[in-house]
Amino acid sequence: DGGITQSPKYLFRKEGQNVTLSCEQNLNHDAMYWYRQDPGQGLRLIYYSQIVNDFQKGDIAEGYSVSREKKESFPLTVTSAQKNPTAFYLCASRSSGNTIYFGEGSWLTVV
Amino acid sequence: AQKVTQAQTEISVVEKEDVTLDCVYETRDTTYYLFWYKQPPSGELVFLIRRNSFDEQNEISGRYSWNFQKSTSSFNFTITASQVVDSAVYFCALSGGVDSSYKLIFGSGTRLLVRP
Repeated sequence: DGGITQSPKYLFRKEGQNVTLSCEQNLNHDAMYWYRQDPGQGLRLIYYSQIVNDFQKGDIAEGYSVSREKKESFPLTVTSAQKNPTAFYLCASRSSGNTIYFGEGSWLTVV
Repeated sequence: AQKVTQAQTEISVVEKEDVTLDCVYETRDTTYYLFWYKQPPSGELVFLIRRNSFDEQNEISGRYSWNFQKSTSSFNFTITASQVVDSAVYFCALSGGVDSSYKLIFGSGTRLLVRP
């Protein structure tokens, strides 16, 4: 089935650790995005990538890093510099018709 | 700057009632896109509709309908004969054109509770 796959669904991070959230899509979309959602709030853009080997910071990029080595993959690393990483993370990709589709999300909790 | 306002934080209705979710947006772009997404308790964002700024036709899809009015910068969403399965958080979102890399700006969401 075509779609966006995020893993893991649930992740626990200890203080001072880096963790990486995976996002894979088989929709052949060029553009991909990472959003963060805090409880009871809307989504905020962390990073986005329009094409392979290129990415730009969004509104809340501090403490995060990404790579885009393959069209299908856009992993997000939450570094120890992110002081409040507990949140729901959503990956998305954009179709040629400019519709943005989302994966099922990953819950990250700091323990 | 772009902004999306969903003034209704939470709405509660009884099953079979009609309900309208409001969305007001601000943008200086001449080309833009408006979206509605549904977020059930499981968390994923489900795409419902996309409208282009140059297409003001209203749209109906089953029990769902959307009213796009550029004159009032609104893109309201109506559910007719609501069902319990419609209970979710609904987000309105705005995307600029190529100059803004089609980034989505989200409203804060409206939580809809449909009671049996």
